Amino acid sequence: DIVLTQTPRSSPVTLGQPASISCRSSQSLVHSDGNTYLSWLQQRPGQPPRLLIYKISNRFSGVPDRFSGSGAGTDFTLEISRVEAEDVGVYYCMQTTQTLGFTFGPGTRVDIK
Amino acid sequence: QITLKESGPTLVKPTQTLTLTCTFSGFSLSTHGVGVGWIRQPPGGALEWLALIYWDTDKRYSPSLGSRLAITKDPSENEVVLTMTNMDPVDTATYYCARYVATTTADFDYWGQGTLVTVSS
Repeated sequence: DIVLTQTPRSSPVTLGQPASISCRSSQSLVHSDGNTYLSWLQQRPGQPPRLLIYKISNRFSGVPDRFSGSGAGTDFTLEISRVEAEDVGVYYCMQTTQTLGFTFGPGTRVDIK
Repeated sequence: QITLKESGPTLVKPTQTLTLTCTFSGFSLSTHGVGVGWIRQPPGGALEWLALIYWDTDKRYSPSLGSRLAITKDPSENEVVLTMTNMDPVDTATYYCARYVATTTADFDYWGQGTLVTVSS
């Protein structure tokens, strides 16, 4: 299985300030088709997960442009340019490169200082 | 509008078989590239992918749980069913179904609200 690790596990942030979450994979997430299937999901308290970013850096429909993704190979980053109150929740990276076993990271909790 | 909704028992006993149904609307599971998957989340815990069925009936299962899982689809009824055998208290979790589109996001882009299943005698 591909193992994803996230740092930090908890991130208290001041409103209006940036936040950054790292996701590292135990092996390269580059698929044989040349794409890298690493995504980011947000889970607000009491809500189901919501897709934010797919294929490293593509924002899903309706996602604010303060969210951005970057990275390559085994190292990826989600950045929130200016944290708003509605951004509180847990953020997960996920890989769908290995079609025989999709995996999620352990999650990073973002809350307001 | 794309929606998914999970249904099934809220309480099962250890060793019993769990059967969950995902009823969806706004898309077709007969469309090339489309799939429906199941993901679970124990209370206070992280997400865990369980299974995925594609438009062409190809299926994928979590390597760690695969022998206990079976996923089927009924496109005419817009339903996907997941069965999990030999339930244990550690299987207590919220179970989500979600749409997967291989040709665009290659990810789970729409999710149901989830259903909490408790395993207890």
